[in-house]
Amino acid sequence: SQTIHQWPATLVQPVGSPLSLECTVEGTSNPNLYWYRQAAGRGLQLLFYSVGIGQISSEVPQNLSASRPQDRQFILSSKKLLLSDSGFYLCAWSRAALGSYTFGSGTRLTVV
Amino acid sequence: TQLLEQSPQFLSIQEGENLTVYCNSSSVFSSLQWYRQEPGEGPVLLVTVVTGGEVKKLKRLTFQFGDARKDSSLHITAAQPGDTGLYLCAYDRGSTLGRLYFGRGTQLTVWP
Repeated sequence: SQTIHQWPATLVQPVGSPLSLECTVEGTSNPNLYWYRQAAGRGLQLLFYSVGIGQISSEVPQNLSASRPQDRQFILSSKKLLLSDSGFYLCAWSRAALGSYTFGSGTRLTVV
Repeated sequence: TQLLEQSPQFLSIQEGENLTVYCNSSSVFSSLQWYRQEPGEGPVLLVTVVTGGEVKKLKRLTFQFGDARKDSSLHITAAQPGDTGLYLCAYDRGSTLGRLYFGRGTQLTVWP
């Protein structure tokens, strides 16, 4: 069966520090991968998506970047965090054309 | 631009009551998805509605897709505290590459 892992679960970082969040998927190959951000108690905003290694598309301009160094690994990064980067970050995967999305358990990022 | 408008934003009810939450748009969709999200977790897919006028039941939850495929509703019968959570509707924009876009959600609290 397929599983998706995100870590860390919570993170407190000072303004101006770098960020690296990692997401890995097991039990499938060539998944579509996604990063979402969620403001407190609200809907999810799509940040990045990827159809393959090294292929990244950005939905909104921001202080963040994403990379996909391996087929089942998706990384969200920042060189210098801003207060506005605080939020709940969710990774998801889907199988092309099936319309089924599975989400990780998220990372709660607080920038102080 | 928020294509999916969900209402109400917040709903607080007593155990045993019935409720309906709505997901509306001026756009036509090939399908809509409903998710439930609990605090600190990723959203979990409840159902996908595909055909205009379609009704799907999941135990005490009834989902309906509007005839014109512009809106959907979720009705819960005899709500229980375990139904508490954030209910999100979403549409999938892609075919080969899916991209899931969410409404802002309805935060439901069911009190014992």
